[in-house]
This record gives sequence, structure tokens and C-alpha cells, in this order.
Amino acid sequence: EVQLVESGGGLVQPGRSLRLSCTGSGFTFGDYAMSWSRQAPGKGLEWVSFIRARAYGGTTEYAASVKGRFTISRDDSNNIAYLQMNSLETEDTAIYYCTRVRGQHLPGGAVYFDYWAQGTLVTVSS
Amino acid sequence: EIVLTQSPGTLSLSPGERATLSCRASQSVNNDYLVWYQQKPGQAPRLLIYGAFSRATGIPDRFSGSGSGTDFTLTISRLEPEDFAVYYCQQYGSSPLTFGGGTKVEIK
Repeated sequence: EVQLVESGGGLVQPGRSLRLSCTGSGFTFGDYAMSWSRQAPGKGLEWVSFIRARAYGGTTEYAASVKGRFTISRDDSNNIAYLQMNSLETEDTAIYYCTRVRGQHLPGGAVYFDYWAQGTLVTVSS
Repeated sequence: EIVLTQSPGTLSLSPGERATLSCRASQSVNNDYLVWYQQKPGQAPRLLIYGAFSRATGIPDRFSGSGSGTDFTLTISRLEPEDFAVYYCQQYGSSPLTFGGGTKVEIK
């Protein structure tokens, strides 16, 4: 059974940093791209970032709203994906979802998500 | 980027009725690379449909997807109590991937 478990959410002041972790199990982690999406309170879904599998170069993509502030990475030996969030803004307040990616090989550079973690709340406030 | 507009914003129906949800794209979605997700309160989204019409693993056949180009539809043939939720479409035909704003299916 595919499972994704996140950790690292919490309350942080504007301008500070936070790192989220996502541990995968029940599948060959290194074969899959991994991604983060978020959902502000009472709002819709917003994709944040994804990282391809090593076999596809391990390249990364970011939404314009977080580019230059957030960094996605992966540790395939421990089945963990990370999201390093720097220079946090109040607008970054959201539930952050780790997701397993499908379609990393498709043309167009976009993907979709077949498994979602339970979500971790990040609150940016002074 | 491709903007996805979902309609209606809220759909009020009774169990057993048919639900028809629309997702319209601002430009053609390459290869009809469109998915639908279901999200219940307090839960993460769940993949229902990919490639516009293919059901994901374990999804009941009362859920069906159709459409191409710029107009896509999710149909729930007979609503079960557990189907009342918010539904999102998402395109992956071109970068950046984008989500629609969602349609809430509520009990009438």
C-alpha cells in the first residue's frame, strides 16, 4: 500500500524558514517524481514544486509564486522528499500536501498526482 | 498558463441523482491531459480520472470523464452519500500545471 507521511509543519514568523519532509513507503520511491502542492484555508489547490526521478535527471520545477524562495530535494536512500521554504510570507499559509507524481516522462513538462499525503499545516504569522 | 474554469461553483443535488460538472480551459489542453480529483472535508484530494476519461485504481464506474480540447466533463451517474464533496480538475498538458477552482457537490 502506498503511503506518504509528512512532517515539519508549524507556526513560523514572516521572513523565516521551514523545512517539510515526506516519507514514502509501499512503492519504489526512487522511480517516481515527487511533488508538493498547497491549499490556503478555505481555498483551492495550488501546485508548488516537483522533482523528477534520478532516471529523468532529478530536475526540478517550481510555481512562479515560490521560485527563488523554495527548494525541493530528495533522498532516495531514505525515501524522503523535502521542501525547504525560505523567506516565508503570510501568503504561504496553507496546508501543504506531498504527492506522488505520474507523467514525469510526458511531453509538456507537466504532471499529475496519484497519491496524496494527509497534509501538514504551515502558518506564517507574527 | 492555462486557466481552468469550473462550473457551477456549487451543485445541489439529492442522492441518486446525476451530477454533471464542467471544466473549461482557456486554451486547448494538449493530448487531453486532464485529471479530476475529489476532496472531502478535512481530507486530502483523491485522484478520480486521468487522461480525461480513464478511471484511477479503485474508482467506481459511476464516475466518468469525457471531453477534449477545451471542454471537459465529470459525470457521477447516481450520487451516493459519500460522493458529496468538492471536485477539482487539473491540466497537465502544458507547463505550468494548473488547477480549476473547484465545484462543490452538496446535498439538496
